Amino acid sequence: QKEVEQNSGPLSVPEGAIASLNCTYSDRGSQSFFWYRQYSGKSPELIMSIYSNGDKEDGRFTAQLNKASQYVSLLIRDSQPSDSATYLCAVTAGYSGTYKYIFGTGTRLKVLA
Amino acid sequence: DGGITQSPKYLFRKEGQNVTLSCEQNLNHDAMYWYRQDPGQGLRLIYYSQIVNDFQKGDIAEGYSVSREKKESFPLTVTSAQKNPTAFYLCASSTLNNEQFFGPGTRLTVL
Repeated sequence: QKEVEQNSGPLSVPEGAIASLNCTYSDRGSQSFFWYRQYSGKSPELIMSIYSNGDKEDGRFTAQLNKASQYVSLLIRDSQPSDSATYLCAVTAGYSGTYKYIFGTGTRLKVLA
Repeated sequence: DGGITQSPKYLFRKEGQNVTLSCEQNLNHDAMYWYRQDPGQGLRLIYYSQIVNDFQKGDIAEGYSVSREKKESFPLTVTSAQKNPTAFYLCASSTLNNEQFFGPGTRLTVL
């Protein structure tokens, strides 16, 4: 089982719709959770971080964390063509003496005009 | 402006040659990272450093080396021992809350 799993997509949504991106992780000790957006040929940029169960909203983005079920999701409201990118989920887990920061392989989102 | 810079943007390596990728940050972050990304793939951790003069191997450290002599700088050397180095190399630094910020990347191609 991969440590952080994402559906590779592409996930296609019409302009103005809600895009829902999901991520599951295997380590129950994970403490910090992040969503990054990566445009083709560019480096990732942080769009959301979440550390406790529940929802966190920032503009059109909402991150949702459920530690009991070990998933984190990202909702993008009023999707725009400019949101078309690959979205990477990342999780931190602390092991004794070892630090791990694990990225999923990403979900490609296409917003159709 | 605070941020992370990487140079060069494009780099070409001949067989048997060592090359060094530069990474500089002025965000005053203690932790810095090097990742490799292959086409259509996720990020794989090469090395990371949580403090000056200390660094640890990541998942794919073989054929790479790093140094961390200054807080602002974390250069990566791709040695001739790395047999398949063609990839997109990303440097990042992180806040105390583990939020990572990336540089623009270096594309390395073996000739």
